[in-house]
Amino acid sequence: EPEVTQTPSHQVTQMGQEVILRCVPISNHLYFYWYRQILGQKVEFLVSFYNNEISEKSEIFDDQFSVERPDGSNFTLKIRSTKLEDSAMYFCASSPKAGRAGELFFGEGSRLTVL
Amino acid sequence: KQEVTQIPAALSVPEGENLVLNCSFTDSAIYNLQWFRQDPGKGLTSLLLIQSSQREQTSGRLNASLDKSSGRSTLYIAASQPGDSATYLCAVHGSSNTGKLIFGQGTTLQVKP
Repeated sequence: EPEVTQTPSHQVTQMGQEVILRCVPISNHLYFYWYRQILGQKVEFLVSFYNNEISEKSEIFDDQFSVERPDGSNFTLKIRSTKLEDSAMYFCASSPKAGRAGELFFGEGSRLTVL
Repeated sequence: KQEVTQIPAALSVPEGENLVLNCSFTDSAIYNLQWFRQDPGKGLTSLLLIQSSQREQTSGRLNASLDKSSGRSTLYIAASQPGDSATYLCAVHGSSNTGKLIFGQGTTLQVKP
C-alpha cells in the first residue's frame, strides 16, 4: 500500500543550526502538508502546499520555516535557526484531493530534538 | 475559532468489550471529520473519514458517527482486542479550504488481555 515516507526518523541538533526534514508523499497526491506534535500536546497544523506554493500557513510557521518541493517526489521542511521550542515530532501528510475534500495520509514522523 | 475536544483522555477496558470514544467540536460548520490511530512514537494512521453529508462510516470493527448539529462524533470499536491499544485522534476540516485539520488531544486506549 502506498505510504508517505519521512527522513530522518530522528535528528538531534544544536540550537541555532539549520535542519531539513524530508518527505516523499504518495506518488499521485498533489496536496502536501506539515504538522507537528510537541510531546504531550495536540497535533498542530504548520503549512499546506499545492501547485508549488503555500496555500495556508499557521502563526507557528514564521520566517524561520520554509517548504520546498525541489523535484517531482520530495517535499521538504527547513528550519533556518532552530530553537529549543522547535523540539517536536514533525509529520508530513499528503492528499489526492483538494482542501477539505481530501483524506490526509500521514508519514511516520521525524523527531527533532534541539539541544 | 474551532476547538476539538476528546473525552475521556484515557480508557482501559478488558478484551472483548465494545467501547465508544467521543469527540466534540465547537463550530458545527465543518466539512468533514477524520479519525486516526497513533501508536506510541509513531505516525498517524487514517481510520475513517466522514463527510459532513454523511451520518456514519464503517470499517471492519470500527464505526464512526457524525452529528454536525450537536458538534459531536463517536468512534465505536466492537469486540476490542489488545492490538487496538493506541491513541485515537479525531480531527476536523473546518472553514479553511486548504486541507488544514484541527486535532483533538486524543483518547489513549488500553485493552487488557
